[in-house]
Amino acid sequence: EIVLTQSPGTLSLSPGERATLSCRASQSVSSSYLAWYQQKPGQAPRLLIYGASSRATGIPDRFSGSGSGTDFTLTISRLEPEDFAVYYCQQSTFGQGTKVEIK
Amino acid sequence: QVQLVQSGSELKKPGASVKVSCKASGYTFTSYAMNWVRQAPGQGLEWMGWINTNTGNPTYAQGFTGRFVFSLDTSVSTAYLQISSLKAEDTAVYYCARDAGYSGYDELDYWGQGTLVTVSS
Repeated sequence: EIVLTQSPGTLSLSPGERATLSCRASQSVSSSYLAWYQQKPGQAPRLLIYGASSRATGIPDRFSGSGSGTDFTLTISRLEPEDFAVYYCQQSTFGQGTKVEIK
Repeated sequence: QVQLVQSGSELKKPGASVKVSCKASGYTFTSYAMNWVRQAPGQGLEWMGWINTNTGNPTYAQGFTGRFVFSLDTSVSTAYLQISSLKAEDTAVYYCARDAGYSGYDELDYWGQGTLVTVSS
């Protein structure tokens, strides 16, 4: 079973700053199946990125995904107040999540 | 528009069973696989597995074999998750989530609102 490890566990940033979230797989995975989700308290997760780098419908272009093989990255170019949340990567199994909190 | 509407919260005693439903609308139910995801209180997301909505064939992730059963009623576009011999550690929010394809391994593009199952004596 593939294990996805996300880092850091928590990212403390200010609005307007750039966020870089990492997802590392225990073995090479197909980019076609690597996705990123955002979850806010009390809400279901929301699909942000699929196929490692394609934005889902309605997702702002400040969100971008990249990577291949075992290393993937979600970047939020300029944090908006509504972006403070927990982010998960997934290829079937989920990473443990990265919390982006207001500094 | 695509919607997944799950059944309401459940409070069960240890050893009992529970069946969570997920009713789909706004698309052809049998064209997309359905996944199930668990989230224990304050914890991350756990992928439980998926069911092929064409054949009814389920695939269970590690740790979700034996007491967990995925099923369908395609006549009412509904997927079900049944958990038997409930334990306190089964207390969690359970989500159904539509697979963007039919393989069960694509991204999860639509999610139900979640069903809280609480196991307590």
